[in-house]
Amino acid sequence: GEDVEQSLFLSVREGDSSVINCTYTDSSSTYLYWYKQEPGAGLQLLTYIFSNMDMKQDQRLTVLLNKKDKHLSLRIADTQTGDSAIYFCAESTMIYNQGGKLIFGQGTELSVKP
Amino acid sequence: DTEVTQTPKHLVMGMTNKKSLKCEQHMGHRAMYWYKQKAKKPPELMFVYSYEKLSINESVPSRFSPECPNSSLLNLHLHALQPEDSALYLCASSQARGNEQFFGPGTRLTVL
Repeated sequence: GEDVEQSLFLSVREGDSSVINCTYTDSSSTYLYWYKQEPGAGLQLLTYIFSNMDMKQDQRLTVLLNKKDKHLSLRIADTQTGDSAIYFCAESTMIYNQGGKLIFGQGTELSVKP
Repeated sequence: DTEVTQTPKHLVMGMTNKKSLKCEQHMGHRAMYWYKQKAKKPPELMFVYSYEKLSINESVPSRFSPECPNSSLLNLHLHALQPEDSALYLCASSQARGNEQFFGPGTRLTVL
């Protein structure tokens, strides 16, 4: 079955780069996503990558996809204290015109120290 | 408008109560979702509606009853819940093809 794995914790200093890693199993996934969740809040869609891409950059965020190894990473440049949150990697299975099913990793808790 | 709204923010109910959670979006999305999230865990899919019809039910107990009255609204009716149902309930919406799900802020439910 589908499975998505992430390391649980990451601690960095303010101004450093953060790299959050994720592995997935479903090679038929069309889109792969990164969501951010701050305490007590819902999930914020940060970015996503289509499965035929290797890299996507969006301001401080860089997503790398290695489809052969089924490995996805999110790099946050110049990490700020406001980036402290839980980051979820997710893969999706889309069912034609019936919505999509997101399979989430366990989430990586990013702690940014001043 | 790229927002999904949910009401109420917090809800405390007894095991014999009947209550409803509400979700609304005005992005023209034709797929809407209910997820349940326990503390420090990822969201778990409960239901998917596409074009106002239930397309996925992830074997959710019948004490949870979803309803999609129109393309902008999604309700979750609750009856005879158990304390273990206490969680954050998240609503999301997307285009019908299912990519890019946008989440609401959630309803924090406590069952006493």
